[in-house]
Amino acid sequence: EPEVTQTPSHQVTQMGQEVILRCVPISNHLYFYWYRQILGQKVEFLVSFYNNEISEKSEIFDDQFSVERPDGSNFTLKIRSTKLEDSAMYFCASLADSYNEQFFGPGTRLTVL
Amino acid sequence: AQKITQTQPGMFVQEKEAVTLDCTYDTSDPSYGLFWYKQPSSGEMIFLIYQGSYDQQNATEGRYSLNFQKARKSANLVISASQLGDSAMYFCAMREGLDGTSYGKLTFGQGTILTVHP
Repeated sequence: EPEVTQTPSHQVTQMGQEVILRCVPISNHLYFYWYRQILGQKVEFLVSFYNNEISEKSEIFDDQFSVERPDGSNFTLKIRSTKLEDSAMYFCASLADSYNEQFFGPGTRLTVL
Repeated sequence: AQKITQTQPGMFVQEKEAVTLDCTYDTSDPSYGLFWYKQPSSGEMIFLIYQGSYDQQNATEGRYSLNFQKARKSANLVISASQLGDSAMYFCAMREGLDGTSYGKLTFGQGTILTVHP
């Protein structure tokens, strides 16, 4: 069964460093998403990506964040200068079309020290 | 105002009994979908069940059913015959603009931790 994959599973970084979180969505899906979940809290939408551009973003997704689909398979989230409050689980998700459920990856746990 | 409200921070159920997890939502969009996801302690998000706003019947998937009451804006998850492996966090989520006016973002509730006792 096809699945969304994410690497790394856990990333530890120092405050102020740049991190890139990687995702490989399901191959025939067209919509891609990043969500984050601060420990013990709800899952929050960050950004959606369609047709090689950002289609929607939340107020959390400020200038420190960027997304890219550098080739036909990978979908990345970059945080330019990490802050302590960026520590969270980051989920990538993909969607075949507007009427199907989103498939989530296993998540990357980001710890900022 | 919260778009998705889950008022039960924690629920307990005996193995083999049924349990209902509550979810209310707020939207003025006529075309929306409601989802339930399970998050075990390992952290992954597992899709359980989906209900569209125009669906005439309540959704069912195995032991999961969704009690959809559109006028009350509630979409409660019913788990029948609870198993120990059902112990997890459960999230209700909504996607608005199913008629093509959105790009599919999900808005989640705060979640309910379900504990199944043997």
